[in-house]
Amino acid sequence: GNSVTQMEGPVTLSEEAFLTINCTYTATGYPSLFWYVQYPGEGLQLLLKATKADDKGSNKGFEATYRKETTSFHLEKGSVQVSDSAVYFCALRRGNTPLVFGKGTRLSVIA
Amino acid sequence: DVKVTQSSRYLVKRTGEKVFLECVQDMDHENMFWYRQDPGLGLRLIYFSYDVKMKEKGDIPEGYSVSREKKERFSLILESASTNQTSMYLCASRTASSGQADTQYFGPGTRLTVL
Repeated sequence: GNSVTQMEGPVTLSEEAFLTINCTYTATGYPSLFWYVQYPGEGLQLLLKATKADDKGSNKGFEATYRKETTSFHLEKGSVQVSDSAVYFCALRRGNTPLVFGKGTRLSVIA
Repeated sequence: DVKVTQSSRYLVKRTGEKVFLECVQDMDHENMFWYRQDPGLGLRLIYFSYDVKMKEKGDIPEGYSVSREKKERFSLILESASTNQTSMYLCASRTASSGQADTQYFGPGTRLTVL
């Protein structure tokens, strides 16, 4: 079946450090790929998405590129801020089926 | 803006009680979902619904039921709450289209504690 594997946290970085959160997936065909973010005390919200191979999703300085050859969708940001502290979830969907989520990666950014 | 609201942010119940968690969305979405979120386990799908009066089991439906009498409202029911159902419960909704890239919108969550 479809599945998502993302790096385990927690990840702790200093402000302005470079961030990478790895995400790989297993799916038949061509899924859409998503990153959701959950700030403390809140529900999840969409951060970015990509719908086909080599697409790059971007938002708020975060980027992720849909790599079909490595079945990956790694999240990156060049310079993190304290306000980026949150839990990040990688997810995929095929057709009109429920999202399949990874287990989440907690990021803490310290000043 | 799409809004998904959940009836309570925090809830404390006793073992054996019947518990209702309510979710309402205001964007006329056909699809609605209930998840639970636990540390180290991520989000796990409990039930979902593609339309009024329709329901489908997710990955962990045991101990739960759902009700979808109106399009905008999707209720999660714990028939007899147990301590292992202490968790954060998240509701979500999405439009039903052929586009698999449609955004799924989440409510703020209900943190349920069963004593």
